[in-house]
Amino acid sequence: KAGVTQTPRYLIKTRGQQVTLSCSPISGHRSVSWYQQTPGQGLQFLFEYFSETQRNKGNFPGRFSGRQFSNSRSEMNVSTLELGDSALYLCASSRGGATDTQYFGPGTRLTVL
Amino acid sequence: DQQVKQNSPSLSVQEGRISILNCDYTNSMFDYFLWYKKYPAEGPTFLISISSIKDKNEDGRFTVFLNKSAKHLSLHIVPSQPGDSAVYFCAATSTSNFGNEKLTFGTGTRLTIIP
Repeated sequence: KAGVTQTPRYLIKTRGQQVTLSCSPISGHRSVSWYQQTPGQGLQFLFEYFSETQRNKGNFPGRFSGRQFSNSRSEMNVSTLELGDSALYLCASSRGGATDTQYFGPGTRLTVL
Repeated sequence: DQQVKQNSPSLSVQEGRISILNCDYTNSMFDYFLWYKKYPAEGPTFLISISSIKDKNEDGRFTVFLNKSAKHLSLHIVPSQPGDSAVYFCAATSTSNFGNEKLTFGTGTRLTIIP
């Protein structure tokens, strides 16, 4: 069974630009969650999508948005990039139940210059 | 406000000995806890979980203990092997809202196994 895939793996952008990251979940998984990992803050929850609907949201500004398609693939968009957005962005997929294991992709390393 | 805390940023253990990683939480709504392991340039890998109705869960060399009154959990690895060297994250969630997928993570503990 193929794992969670994320594209691109690395990205360099400049301040003010916008970026779109993609996540393909494990086949059969309907939930996709996004996390930001930074050295100081650890992994922080961004949002979760289930069956194309945002079901849960963390404490991030509106510049961070996402969506999920009918095939469960998800995209995350960050507009008006700031230096502090430099981080590893991880997505995780699961079947969607409260205790179903979340399986993580390798992440997208975003650097904002 | 860090609701899940891993107070030891790093830990070194001799190969073959027991590794004990600790985690504290403050949110009494948390009722499901997980440990993930992360190698560089990879996403976190699920290790083991425990529900608040239990105080211990075992899977091979890995055992997680939960002390609800102290809001403390620990991961024991016995015996420790060089391949266990990684960053370990503790995570917690509340299952009271069905389908709540939000995991709250600690900041991680870097475990180094010394051959």
